[in-house]
Amino acid sequence: EAGVAQSPRYKIIEKRQSVAFWCNPISGHATLYWYQQILGQGPKLLIQFQNNGVVDDSQLPKDRFSAERLKGVDSTLKIQPAKLEDSAVYLCASSYAAFEQYFGPGTRLTVT
Amino acid sequence: QKEVEQDPGPLSVPEGAIVSLNCTYSNSAFQYFMWYRQYSRKGPELLMYTYSSGNKEDGRFTAQVDKSSKYISLFIRDSQPSDSATYLCAMRDGGATNKLIFGTGTLLAVQP
Repeated sequence: EAGVAQSPRYKIIEKRQSVAFWCNPISGHATLYWYQQILGQGPKLLIQFQNNGVVDDSQLPKDRFSAERLKGVDSTLKIQPAKLEDSAVYLCASSYAAFEQYFGPGTRLTVT
Repeated sequence: QKEVEQDPGPLSVPEGAIVSLNCTYSNSAFQYFMWYRQYSRKGPELLMYTYSSGNKEDGRFTAQVDKSSKYISLFIRDSQPSDSATYLCAMRDGGATNKLIFGTGTLLAVQP
């Protein structure tokens, strides 16, 4: 079974630029999550999708972050404009059952 | 006060030692408790999960939950250098969403 795919793996941008991350979940997983993991911290949920509907985006900074999951499969997370404090690893996860979330390798973003 | 507290370490032990990793939490609504392992530059992977209080064993790993003390533990017996990673505790309530709250992670190094 193929795992969660994410791209790019690494991205360096200057502040005020925009960036987009892509995620392809495990086939058949209806629930998709985007997490932000700042160095030295645990992952923090940004947004959760159930199929193509948003379940929870309470911690998504909506003035600069946006996410979509078209057709209930792939998802993109966008930051526009980026700030220095957005430097982090952005993890995508998907799940079928309630407990087990499968994580992708993450995209490491550096904002200079 | 953070909802989930975890000692960041680092924790260094010799090969074969018993390792004890711990988290405390403040939200009494948490019912599901998980431990994830995260290797450097990889996404977290689920090691174990438990529901409510009690113990659960899987090979060299034992998870314990004490809801009365709001305290969870992960024990690793006969630790191996391949166990060197960051260990993240995570927990959720019994609600419809699968929102996980993570600890900051404990960095473990097992010395050969």
